[in-house]
Amino acid sequence: DTEVTQTPKHLVMGMTNKKSLKCEQHMGHRAMYWYKQKAKKPPELMFVYSYEKLSINESVPSRFSPECPNSSLLNLHLHALQPEDSALYLCASSRRPGDDNEKLFFGSGTQLSVL
Amino acid sequence: AQKITQTQPGMFVQEKEAVTLDCTYDTSDPSYGLFWYKQPSSGEMIFLIYQGSYDQQNATEGRYSLNFQKARKSANLVISASQLGDSAMYFCAMRGDNNNDMRFGAGTRLTVKP
Repeated sequence: DTEVTQTPKHLVMGMTNKKSLKCEQHMGHRAMYWYKQKAKKPPELMFVYSYEKLSINESVPSRFSPECPNSSLLNLHLHALQPEDSALYLCASSRRPGDDNEKLFFGSGTQLSVL
Repeated sequence: AQKITQTQPGMFVQEKEAVTLDCTYDTSDPSYGLFWYKQPSSGEMIFLIYQGSYDQQNATEGRYSLNFQKARKSANLVISASQLGDSAMYFCAMRGDNNNDMRFGAGTRLTVKP
């Protein structure tokens, strides 16, 4: 099993809603990532979890709240988002944190629209 | 700080021909890894090829090869015998040693013409 699974694939939410994005991998990877990708732009790093602990937070607004309940799961809780937060949200994992030869395995993403 | 530069916003290639996508980088890390990913319109990022900074030989994976010139800090992707299914966005990326992140260049949109 070499998959990273993200749910939902599409999400439409209002600015007052609370929603969560979910990501799951069963490859035994110990690093998990959230990226945000706007149309025609590269993925931008948001958060990195290493051994279930938050190791990188790229000054992301507090309306985005990550959570790593265990080594296989990664959530992104959304609250009071703005229309400019509409984007593709990509989850990724890698075997070991900190090694420069470790490639990322990506999920297919959640396309988020904030109305 | 690490920086990845892809200067070709778009490229066209005729089916069955080879194409080179450019990537330059800048880093102060003595050890680092360079990656290329493909992103079709479906959105998923697909890993293509990896080159380590200490690797003596250029990496190859099937029709993909990486032209690594360390002194010039370039890591160009060469796709041989292009296929229609190669039409996609291509991103060059880098991660340094002891870094938990991976940074991406701006990307190049490749269109393969029949």
